[in-house]
Amino acid sequence: SQKIEQNSEALNIQEGKTATLTCNYTNYSPAYLQWYRQDPGRGPVFLLLIRENEKEKRKERLKVTFDTTLKQSLFHITASQPADSATYLCALGGMTTDSWGKLQFGAGTQVVVTP
Amino acid sequence: DGGITQSPKYLFRKEGQNVTLSCEQNLNHDAMYWYRQDPGQGLRLIYYSQIVNDFQKGDIAEGYSVSREKKESFPLTVTSAQKNPTAFYLCASRRTFRESGELFFGEGSRLTVL
Repeated sequence: SQKIEQNSEALNIQEGKTATLTCNYTNYSPAYLQWYRQDPGRGPVFLLLIRENEKEKRKERLKVTFDTTLKQSLFHITASQPADSATYLCALGGMTTDSWGKLQFGAGTQVVVTP
Repeated sequence: DGGITQSPKYLFRKEGQNVTLSCEQNLNHDAMYWYRQDPGQGLRLIYYSQIVNDFQKGDIAEGYSVSREKKESFPLTVTSAQKNPTAFYLCASRRTFRESGELFFGEGSRLTVL
């Protein structure tokens, strides 16, 4: 069955350092991958999109990579700030007509940035 | 401001009761979705609608029902047949179904069964 795995342990990081999160998947051929941020008790907010033919995307202090051979995406937050503390979710969209529009989500990784 | 409004934010239900969660969007989006979130699990898709007057079951549709009579509205009914309904429910929309664009989420509704 399809599986999307994100590190369940919280990532504790000091302000100013780079946080790196992983998203691994099995039995899946995604056409694209997205990353979202979710604060406690709130809905997720979109951050970045990367397509299967792209290796890397950047947006301000955020960077995402996508390796379809390793079946993995890495999400980096550079120069992290306490305001970056949240849970980060990866989501995959499939290649078929039906699965293209149905995002499958990982459980998320909590990031805690301390001053 | 454009966005998605879910209500109520908190809801308590006795066993055996049906409840309906409201989801309204003013983004003029064709596609709408309902996800369920449980601690330690990813968002799981309950139902989705590609366009008005259309909807399909997601991965965990048993015990739930929806309607899409208006483009801006996609209410979810949690029926008494749902065995474990206590969860955080999220509604989302997207400009069209067959695209890679972002999902816009509401603020969620937390349902607790007493």
